Amino acid sequence: NAGVTQTPKFRVLKTGQSMTLLCAQDMNHEYMYWYRQDPGMGLRLIHYSVGEGTTAKGEVPDGYNVSRLKKQNFLLGLESAAPSQTSVYFCASSYSIRAGGAFFGQGTRLTVV
Amino acid sequence: QQQVKQSPQSLIVQKGGISIINCAYENTAFDYFPWYQQFPGKGPALLIAIRPDVSEKKEGRFTISFNKSAKQFSLHIMDSQPGDSATYFCAAAGYSTLTFGKGTMLLVSP
Repeated sequence: NAGVTQTPKFRVLKTGQSMTLLCAQDMNHEYMYWYRQDPGMGLRLIHYSVGEGTTAKGEVPDGYNVSRLKKQNFLLGLESAAPSQTSVYFCASSYSIRAGGAFFGQGTRLTVV
Repeated sequence: QQQVKQSPQSLIVQKGGISIINCAYENTAFDYFPWYQQFPGKGPALLIAIRPDVSEKKEGRFTISFNKSAKQFSLHIMDSQPGDSATYFCAAAGYSTLTFGKGTMLLVSP
């Protein structure tokens, strides 16, 4: 039972390049989330999904897109990376955010130069 | 608008002492309040959580105190140990999302 797995763990991008971060969960959770963590800023919600085929914007969605084609996967895309997107990205999943909270992956450290 | 305010930003406690972290929230629609613990290089992990119909919840050395009228809640770590050194986040859940405070970096000195 792997829980929440994020791929890749580290990545360096040049400004303007694109990439996709993959999140996979094996707990059959309906809810999935993408957060970014920056020093002194806590965890800020980028996008989330309440089920297969659904997505919604969070607090800081600009510059990111997401897709949830399969229940177990949640993809985060950066179409044209900017230095301001240098951050640690965390994926999380939950069966009920108002009961059991969320389970987090190990994070992806992204640097945009 | 910061919906969940957390203090202090950092905290140094001696081994065996009590660590106290405070949070305040704005949105009365929040109805579940978890605390997360994060070690360097790891993802946050659920530590303890409380609902607003309960004023206190205790799990081992960790206790959440909740004041619904003041819209405040706090985490108390009794008999703090060096292994408790980590970043702690309070959070509030409403509808489908979880909103986090900015975190408190706790250092427990031996």
